[in-house]
Amino acid sequence: GQQLNQSPQSMFIQEGEDVSMNCTSSSIFNTWLWYKQDPGEGPVLLIALYKAGELTSNGRLTAQFGITRKDSFLNISASIPSDVGIYFCAGRPGTYKYIFGTGTRLKVLA
Amino acid sequence: NAGVTQTPKFQVLKTGQSMTLQCAQDMNHEYMSWYRQDPGMGLRLIHYSVGAGITDQGEVPNGYNVSRSTTEDFPLRLLSAAPSQTSVYFCASSYSTGGSETQYFGPGTRLLVL
Repeated sequence: GQQLNQSPQSMFIQEGEDVSMNCTSSSIFNTWLWYKQDPGEGPVLLIALYKAGELTSNGRLTAQFGITRKDSFLNISASIPSDVGIYFCAGRPGTYKYIFGTGTRLKVLA
Repeated sequence: NAGVTQTPKFQVLKTGQSMTLQCAQDMNHEYMSWYRQDPGMGLRLIHYSVGAGITDQGEVPNGYNVSRSTTEDFPLRLLSAAPSQTSVYFCASSYSTGGSETQYFGPGTRLLVL
């Protein structure tokens, strides 16, 4: 089946640093979504991308829909302790089905 | 709006027992889905529905049944629970409008099968 490779799997960063993570797919997606999940909670939508090349920001978060439509990137600027959590990408290949990446676990050191 | 609600929050079952996980949304979304989340893995789609009376299988449907009699409710039934079904289950609903769509998740049901 279709798979999403998300990297890095985990990262430890200092407060104030910028963070970058990405997802790559073996097939083309029409939509990319980025979620954050806190412990014991459901994922919360951060950013949605609908067009190849699209760059969208939400506060300190910026995400891009790759030109090839097979990848997407999420950047967090000036990280703060509350950014800790698991970040998931999800892609929609053309139907209502979403395929999720395995997540990037972010830990911020104060 | 309450958004997406799930009950129960926690459940312990014995192997072979059956149960129904409840999911409801009050946003009039046409699309609903069930995922399971296992340690170290992303969310995997079990079943989904694009409207009342319409359901389809996702990536890991075996051992689960769904029905969609109303727009609001989308219950997930475990027919005969197995330890491999120990997981966290998330229900989600989504809508599509003007070329954009988004998906909202419930808080999850944590299931342990002994």
